[in-house]
Amino acid sequence: DAGVTQSPTHLIKTRGQQVTLRCSPISGHKSVSWYQQVLGQGPQFIFQYYEKEERGRGNFPDRFSARQFPNYSSELNVNALLLGDSALYLCASSSLGGDGYTFGSGTRLTVV
Amino acid sequence: ILNVEQSPQSLHVQEGDSTNFTCSFPSSNFYALHWYRWETAKSPEALFVMTLNGDEKKKGRISATLNTKEGYSYLYIKGSQPEDSATYLCAFIRGTTGFQKLVFGTGTRLLVSP
Repeated sequence: DAGVTQSPTHLIKTRGQQVTLRCSPISGHKSVSWYQQVLGQGPQFIFQYYEKEERGRGNFPDRFSARQFPNYSSELNVNALLLGDSALYLCASSSLGGDGYTFGSGTRLTVV
Repeated sequence: ILNVEQSPQSLHVQEGDSTNFTCSFPSSNFYALHWYRWETAKSPEALFVMTLNGDEKKKGRISATLNTKEGYSYLYIKGSQPEDSATYLCAFIRGTTGFQKLVFGTGTRLLVSP
């Protein structure tokens, strides 16, 4: 059974550009969450989606948006990229109210 | 404590040493505490999900305890091996019915030398 898959694994963008990151959850998991991990810090919560609806949003600006598709995969979009958006973006899937989260290996975004 | 704090930040031990880390979290409105093991360039791997005060869980040489009244959890590794080298993260579940998020500590980076 495939785990959580994220794409791309790495990308480099220029300030002001827009980026889309993708995540496919574990089969049967209907909830997808996004986290941002900056070097030296723990992952920070960005969004949670369940059944295509946003269930929660972290303390991130409106430049960050996300959506979930009928097959439960998800996209994270970041507009008007800033240097400070450079980070590892992790996706986690779970069954809502379930005990565990399964993480992907992340997308490393570098903004130059 | 308002968020999750982990100590020490890093640890360097010799193969065969036993070690332990601490995770402190808000003791009010407790729901669950997660421990993850994260190797470089890989995805965080779930070790334990702890929900009850006094919980003790074990997975091979790794075990964890939970005290929800005072807001701390310990992770123990017995007889450390080089393959145990990783960052160990704890995360506190915060949220309500229908919405939950993980609030992570900054992790403890463990290096085990042969």
